[in-house]
Amino acid sequence: DAKTTQPTSMDCAEGRAANLPCNHSTISGNEYVYWYRQIHSQGPQYIIHGLKNNETNEMASLIITEDRKSSTLILPHATLRDTAVYYCIVRFTSGTYKYIFGTGTRLKVLA
Amino acid sequence: DTEVTQTPKHLVMGMTNKKSLKCEQHMGHRAMYWYKQKAKKPPELMFVYSYEKLSINESVPSRFSPECPNSSLLNLHLHALQPEDSALYLCASSQGAGGPGEQFFGPGTRLTVL
Repeated sequence: DAKTTQPTSMDCAEGRAANLPCNHSTISGNEYVYWYRQIHSQGPQYIIHGLKNNETNEMASLIITEDRKSSTLILPHATLRDTAVYYCIVRFTSGTYKYIFGTGTRLKVLA
Repeated sequence: DTEVTQTPKHLVMGMTNKKSLKCEQHMGHRAMYWYKQKAKKPPELMFVYSYEKLSINESVPSRFSPECPNSSLLNLHLHALQPEDSALYLCASSQGAGGPGEQFFGPGTRLTVL
């Protein structure tokens, strides 16, 4: 599985968009990008995933660059409840169940 | 029901004790996982069960013994643990081979080994 690199921490003002980058320069053609978040002392929560195209759901948007070497998770209107550690993971679409969590980005939403 | 439940929430045990952690899901998922998470670190994969068979063992010491009695249940039997095994133990499930890869995590069991 490809390795991911994320900034250690970020701050975002409440109500503003939070843009969390992830670098996955060694990603291969059949690896998906997944995003999870973990609020303090809870289990990780699935947010979104994508392969090539940009994706949007009720929680967030995922922008993947054309060369697929990086992606950005966008929380359009961050709230205090979005304060969490955000993990970017890449994995094969099938044939393996192995998730390798990187160190993640600790996002703090400020009032 | 889109929930993964784990019991107990907290567990304190001595190094000579035998205890078990339990995980349950009723989403029809056929893959189940155990992760270990130390404070301020990302989760680390321990075991994966696929269709009730052990699929992945990430070189976990034998004092941790997983069991999958049926497709809804996953246990982790603990014996002769060390203080450094104190951590948050997370269970997760996903649909299985060929299905969507997103994993659903339980709240975890916080284990303290004295």
